Amino acid sequence: TQLLEQSPQFLSIQEGENLTVYCNSSSVFSSLQWYRQEPGEGPVLLVTVVTGGEVKKLKRLTFQFGDARKDSSLHITAAQPGDTGLYLCAGEPLEYGNKLVFGAGTILRVKS
Amino acid sequence: ETGVTQTPRHLVMGMTNKKSLKCEQHLGHNAMYWYKQSAKKPLELMFVYSLEERVENNSVPSRFSPECPNSSHLFLHLHTLQPEDSALYLCASSQDSGQSATQYFGPGTRLTVL
Repeated sequence: TQLLEQSPQFLSIQEGENLTVYCNSSSVFSSLQWYRQEPGEGPVLLVTVVTGGEVKKLKRLTFQFGDARKDSSLHITAAQPGDTGLYLCAGEPLEYGNKLVFGAGTILRVKS
Repeated sequence: ETGVTQTPRHLVMGMTNKKSLKCEQHLGHNAMYWYKQSAKKPLELMFVYSLEERVENNSVPSRFSPECPNSSHLFLHLHTLQPEDSALYLCASSQDSGQSATQYFGPGTRLTVL
């Protein structure tokens, strides 16, 4: 079993729609990060959330860290084709010290 | 451009070949990492180097051999690989290997083992 479960695994939507992807765990994390990876490239860090209940916004992207620091969500408003990519969550579970673990990712495809 | 480069970008090799992957970071970081990314699986951390010393080796088979000659360069030497080793190999670097250090990834080497 994976320490970080991401859902859905794949999402295909039309331009202009809203979407939410989830990152869940039974472990507590000191922080969670979200990355976007485009084809042929490595992951690029979008945001780090540290405090339980924290909400961060990056243009049309809204990131939330669960109150218990076990889960996180990424909401995209009015998705655009440029949002297409693999979205990865990663975090440092308290039980593993400073080891960064990754989820398997959500593949997002936004059609024009 | 993240400041981390990897060569080659694509590599096809037979099971008896020996090849090396190269990573270079231009960010002045002290820690470097090798990850394996397979389809539908989480990124798997393979090796961590901090100040040119290996600090973590996650039970990686000996057919993968890392080398870190200085803080800017990291190699992954490959020999007698198996088809299941086909994957995207990502290099990353960070200021240090401590908690919450942001990692910057290279574009990866797409490896195919025949």
